[in-house]
Amino acid sequence: EDKVVQSPLSLVVHEGDTVTLNCSYEVTNFRSLLWYKQEKKAPTFLFMLTSSGIEKKSGRLSSILDKKELFSILNITATQTGDSAVYLCAGGVNDMRFGAGTRLTVKP
Amino acid sequence: GAGVSQSPSNKVTEKGKDVELRCDPISGHTALYWYRQSLGQGLEFLIYFQGNSAPDKSGLPSDRFSAERTGGSVSTLTIQRTQQEDSAVYLCASSLATGRSRETQYFGPGTRLLVL
Repeated sequence: EDKVVQSPLSLVVHEGDTVTLNCSYEVTNFRSLLWYKQEKKAPTFLFMLTSSGIEKKSGRLSSILDKKELFSILNITATQTGDSAVYLCAGGVNDMRFGAGTRLTVKP
Repeated sequence: GAGVSQSPSNKVTEKGKDVELRCDPISGHTALYWYRQSLGQGLEFLIYFQGNSAPDKSGLPSDRFSAERTGGSVSTLTIQRTQQEDSAVYLCASSLATGRSRETQYFGPGTRLLVL
């Protein structure tokens, strides 16, 4: 059975801290891994990763994929309160399998 | 339009009633997806439309769930004889289906369904 597991399920940090969110996947049909940020109802797209070892960066966020270990991480440096959200990862092709998400809370 | 839109934003219904949820994808996006997110759970894939191809219905949880996509654009998700466990946020997403951009899905705001 396909599954995507994220850890930790929740995380509380203070502004300025650096966090690493983890995503492991076992997906039969895999082409890419996606990261989303979900603040209210609709997730917003962060990264799409298709190749191992190539880090993608966007401001304070970065992510990398390891297709051998079936693993991805999302790093957020110098966290801000606006980073508080649920971070979702998903793997697959068309019918992406989503993890349960990591709820990040950044305190002032 | 500028983004994926969904309606209604909230729906409260009684157990046993039918509901219809609507999704307007981003103009030009040929792929459309329906997901649901139950409280505290991850997103659950329901159905995928790609152009004029037969939809991938492998995620529909029961035969009470069905979806249509008319004219390759607007989609309607119908839940018949709703049950309390159908309560969730139903999210629609669309994407281009060309090369590697296929999987970059843009989500709508969702419809929050509550079945009493």
